Amino acid sequence: ETGVTQTPRHLVMGMTNKKSLKCEQHLGHNAMYWYKQSAKKPLELMFVYNFKEQTENNSVPSRFSPECPNSSHLFLHLHTLQPEDSALYLCASSVRWGVSSYEQYFGPGTRLTVT
Amino acid sequence: TQLLEQSPQFLSIQEGENLTVYCNSSSVFSSLQWYRQEPGEGPVLLVTVVTGGEVKKLKRLTFQFGDARKDSSLHITAAQPGDTGLYLCAGARPNDYKLSFGAGTTVTVRA
Repeated sequence: ETGVTQTPRHLVMGMTNKKSLKCEQHLGHNAMYWYKQSAKKPLELMFVYNFKEQTENNSVPSRFSPECPNSSHLFLHLHTLQPEDSALYLCASSVRWGVSSYEQYFGPGTRLTVT
Repeated sequence: TQLLEQSPQFLSIQEGENLTVYCNSSSVFSSLQWYRQEPGEGPVLLVTVVTGGEVKKLKRLTFQFGDARKDSSLHITAAQPGDTGLYLCAGARPNDYKLSFGAGTTVTVRA
């Protein structure tokens, strides 16, 4: 238990569906991250939020839409995804964006399959 | 081209043997982290190294940061089945807060 929870753990969706991934951290951190993990590829940083403000968008397609209502919660809204978007989506948190962003705490991930 | 190259990609050993995993780059990093990820879970931070030449020990795990801060290694002594997992190195370049990850080394320790 790392203090970061993600729901759902598994999700299967069609290309025309709209779904959302949820992340919650109980560590009192102020920075939250979304990563994509595909087989045999390095983790890809998608978005970073620091004190609820988006600080990084790593050229992510607009079919992925993040939302951070407060420092403890992070959402990833999904719509009209493609099969190549199938992957493990990981949420992480750190004390804040900056030098302490090097030590990140990850949730268990959501295994997403797009059919 | 990946910023951090990990080798080997896969490693399967018998319980009690030793193993070493490598993480190499042509870039300098201000810090480097090692994570372990078990199937169905997210990565868990094992260690952070920040000083060139630094060696850190965590029970049977020994982590070393290269003198030039471009590479790192993870050595496991007397491996146990509980050491099985995907080992990831990650680094932050100077003046950059983003972590770059290697593709990982999958370690399997057979009982």
